[in-house]
Amino acid sequence: GQNIDQPTEMTATEGAIVQINCTYQTSGFNGLFWYQQHAGEAPTFLSYNVLDGLEEKGRFSSFLSRSKGYSYLLLKELQMKDSASYLCAVRKAAGNKLTFGGGTRVLVKP
Amino acid sequence: DADVTQTPRNRITKTGKRIMLECSQTKGHDRMYWYRQDPGLGLRLIYYSFDVKDINKGEISDGYSVSRQAQAKFSLSLESAIPNQTALYFCATSDRQGLGTGELFFGEGSRLTVL
Repeated sequence: GQNIDQPTEMTATEGAIVQINCTYQTSGFNGLFWYQQHAGEAPTFLSYNVLDGLEEKGRFSSFLSRSKGYSYLLLKELQMKDSASYLCAVRKAAGNKLTFGGGTRVLVKP
Repeated sequence: DADVTQTPRNRITKTGKRIMLECSQTKGHDRMYWYRQDPGLGLRLIYYSFDVKDINKGEISDGYSVSRQAQAKFSLSLESAIPNQTALYFCATSDRQGLGTGELFFGEGSRLTVL
C-alpha cells in the first residue's frame, strides 16, 4: 500500500511564502503530482516530479527527494485566490493509478 | 464546454435506490477513473479502466459497479445506495503512460446525498 501524509491546514498572509510538505511510502515510485482544488470544484494539475530536484512554474515550485520519500510545494507571493486545498498524489510504476493524500487546506489572509 | 462532463451534478436519493453517475469525455483519452472524495480522506479510487475492454477495481469498489460503454463514456452505478456513500464523486481521464506526464483531468464532480 501507500501512505501519503501532508498537514491538514495552513494559514499564511497575502504576499508571503508557504511550503506544503508531503511524505510518502511506496514501492515502485513513478512520479509525484500536486493538484489545487478550490472548494466545491474539481482538482486541477499544478506540477509533476519524477526525478529529484526542483521544478519551478511561475509562483509555484515543487521539490522531490525520492530517497527520503519527501516532496514539498512552495507557493510564493501568495494571493487571496491561492486559498484552496492542495493535494499530493503518488503514482506507482505499475499502471497509472494515483493515490492521493488527504490534502492541505491553505487559508490566505489579508 | 468542459472536456470531462459528469451528470448529474447533484443528486439526493434514498437508501436502497439504484443510482447511476455518468461521465463522458472529449479528450480522446483511453484511461478513465472514478474517485470519491470525503472530508479529510482525500480522493479514493473506486474503479478504473485503461480501455473499453479493461475494467479494474480500485481501493474501495465494494457497493459500486461500472460500465465502459465506449472510449468516451464511463458510468458508475450504486446498485443499492446507503448513507455512507454520501460523497463527492469525480470522474477523471488520462492519456496512456509515456505520453506526457499522465496527469489526471477531472470532471466537475457529482455530489450525491443518500438519505
